[in-house]
Amino acid sequence: GAGVSQSPSNKVTEKGKDVELRCDPISGHTALYWYRQSLGQGLEFLIYFQGNSAPDKSGLPSDRFSAERTGGSVSTLTIQRTQQEDSAVYLCASSLGAGRLGQPQHFGDGTRLSIL
Amino acid sequence: KQEVTQIPAALSVPEGENLVLNCSFTDSAIYNLQWFRQDPGKGLTSLLLIQSSQREQTSGRLNASLDKSSGRSTLYIAASQPGDSATYLCAATSGTYKYIFGTGTRLKVLA
Repeated sequence: GAGVSQSPSNKVTEKGKDVELRCDPISGHTALYWYRQSLGQGLEFLIYFQGNSAPDKSGLPSDRFSAERTGGSVSTLTIQRTQQEDSAVYLCASSLGAGRLGQPQHFGDGTRLSIL
Repeated sequence: KQEVTQIPAALSVPEGENLVLNCSFTDSAIYNLQWFRQDPGKGLTSLLLIQSSQREQTSGRLNASLDKSSGRSTLYIAASQPGDSATYLCAATSGTYKYIFGTGTRLKVLA
C-alpha cells in the first residue's frame, strides 16, 4: 500500500486478555517505530526496529509488552495480560532509514485499544 | 534527557490570520526536528523536517525555523484556513532515531 497500515483500527477487550497489534510499513522502509498515545498525553516511544532487529526496547512499559518484526516488513506488538492502564492509541511509523540525517517518519492511523 | 514543550496548548484564530506555533527543547544537540499535524482519530502527518544544519524549511503556507542555540523551533502558518484546524506536534531527536514529542498545540481556525 501507499502508506503505513495498522490493524485492527479499534480493539476492545477484557482485562487480563492478550492482544496483538499489527503494522504494515511502507514498502522499502527499513526503520519502524511503535508509539503509545494516551488521552491528553504526548507520544510515548515504545520500540524501534532497524530491519528485523530492535536495538532499543527501552520504551516498553513492562515485560507484558513485546514486539517483533519479520522479513524486514510487518511488525506485531503484543500485550499480555492487559491492564486498564494499557488503554491508549498505539501508533506505528516507518521511515526510509534512521541516522544522523534522519528521514521523515510516516505514521499509520493507529489502533485504539480499550481495556474493560 | 531531552524534553520538548509546546506553547500554547490550544489556540483559536479567525480565518486568514497568520500564526506562530512554538516548540522548545532542552537538549540543543539535536539531529533534526520534525513538525506534524494530527487530525482527530488519525495518525500523524509529517509537515516539515529540519536538519540540525538547517535554519528553516518551507512548504506552501508553512514555514518552520530552528534555532538550536536557544532551543526553539517555530511553525509559521500563513493565511490560516479552517482546514488547518488540527493538533500540531513537534518532535526532536538527539539520537539517531528516537524522537521525543511535545504534547501538541490544538489549533482551531474559525470560518
